[in-house]
Amino acid sequence: GNSVTQMEGPVTLSEEAFLTINCTYTATGYPSLFWYVQYPGEGLQLLLKATKADDKGSNKGFEATYRKETTSFHLEKGSVQVSDSAVYFCALRPRWNRDDKIIFGKGTRLHILP
Amino acid sequence: SQTIHQWPATLVQPVGSPLSLECTVEGTSNPNLYWYRQAAGRGLQLLFYSVGIGQISSEVPQNLSASRPQDRQFILSSKKLLLSDSGFYLCAWSVPRREKLFFGSGTQLSVL
Repeated sequence: GNSVTQMEGPVTLSEEAFLTINCTYTATGYPSLFWYVQYPGEGLQLLLKATKADDKGSNKGFEATYRKETTSFHLEKGSVQVSDSAVYFCALRPRWNRDDKIIFGKGTRLHILP
Repeated sequence: SQTIHQWPATLVQPVGSPLSLECTVEGTSNPNLYWYRQAAGRGLQLLFYSVGIGQISSEVPQNLSASRPQDRQFILSSKKLLLSDSGFYLCAWSVPRREKLFFGSGTQLSVL
């Protein structure tokens, strides 16, 4: 089946630290991959995406590269800010998906300390 | 531009009471609509999705139901709430066959 596994949180870092949140997936075929972010008290919003192998999605200083050989889509940022504190969800959409379902991981809560 | 409205923002209900959460989308036609629940330690779980009026697919058996009486209206209901129904409920929409989901601001439901 299709599934997403991401690292358990919470992750606590100091401001300007380097961030990595791991995400691996299981899917038939070649899915599209996403990172969504949920700021406190809000719904989710799309942060970045990649639709094929070796694509790199990027936005707001965050990056993730679609690695087909390791079935991974790790989220990285070189220097985090307090405003990056949020819950981050890795997600996939199977390629041959008639019903447009997107499957989410459990989320990783990120705390950035000033 | 498209917008999604979800209400109420917070709700406290006693066990055994009914539930109705409403979600509407503006500025688009024939969207795919979704209800997700976010419970502590369990991440984001897809509850229902709909590709058209009256077409509802349920992902997990539960105490909840969904209806789509109009093209851009999606309602989540329960006849009798359970303690385990507590959580953060999110409505979302997407353009059919497009990949990006647009989420509402969520409803925090506490069943006491």
